[in-house]
Amino acid sequence: EPEVTQTPSHQVTQMGQEVILRCVPISNHLYFYWYRQILGQKVEFLVSFYNNEISEKSEIFDDQFSVERPDGSNFTLKIRSTKLEDSAMYFCASSDSRLALYNEQFFGPGTRLTVL
Amino acid sequence: QKEVEQDPGPLSVPEGAIVSLNCTYSNSAFQYFMWYRQYSRKGPELLMYTYSSGNKEDGRFTAQVDKSSKYISLFIRDSQPSDSATYLCAMWAGTYKYIFGTGTRLKVLA
Repeated sequence: EPEVTQTPSHQVTQMGQEVILRCVPISNHLYFYWYRQILGQKVEFLVSFYNNEISEKSEIFDDQFSVERPDGSNFTLKIRSTKLEDSAMYFCASSDSRLALYNEQFFGPGTRLTVL
Repeated sequence: QKEVEQDPGPLSVPEGAIVSLNCTYSNSAFQYFMWYRQYSRKGPELLMYTYSSGNKEDGRFTAQVDKSSKYISLFIRDSQPSDSATYLCAMWAGTYKYIFGTGTRLKVLA
């Protein structure tokens, strides 16, 4: 069964450093998403991406964040200068259609980011 | 008022019990309602989704939506220890994002 994969499973970094979280969405999917979940809190939407551009972003997704689809398979989230409060689980998701209908989003296992 | 509210629990039940999990919401634009199961340190896994008011059944799981009350429920019959997880409700309003509840932590005791 196709699935979304994410690497690394756990990333530890120093405050102020840049990190790149990687995702391989399901191969025929066209829409890609990042969510985050701070420990003990709810899953929060960060950004959606379609046709090589951001289609929607939340207020959390400020200038320190960027997303990219560098090739035909990977989807990355870059955090330019990490802060302590960026420590969270980051989930990538993908879906194959949006149109005007419900689009099931399939989630990856997550990358746990720890900022020291 | 939060867009989606969900009791975080924890909820502990004996094996075989019927479990009821609930969410309320404030945004009448929500069109689809999902229930995800999340095991510790794993990604959310879709259990069911519903669109209209009423019930939808899938094996031991029943999802219920009452749009007039802005209230959704997930019932688990004959609960098993393997059902122990956090259950997230999520809602979609026709944009790109899902809005999640905080999740209810369920523990089914053997």
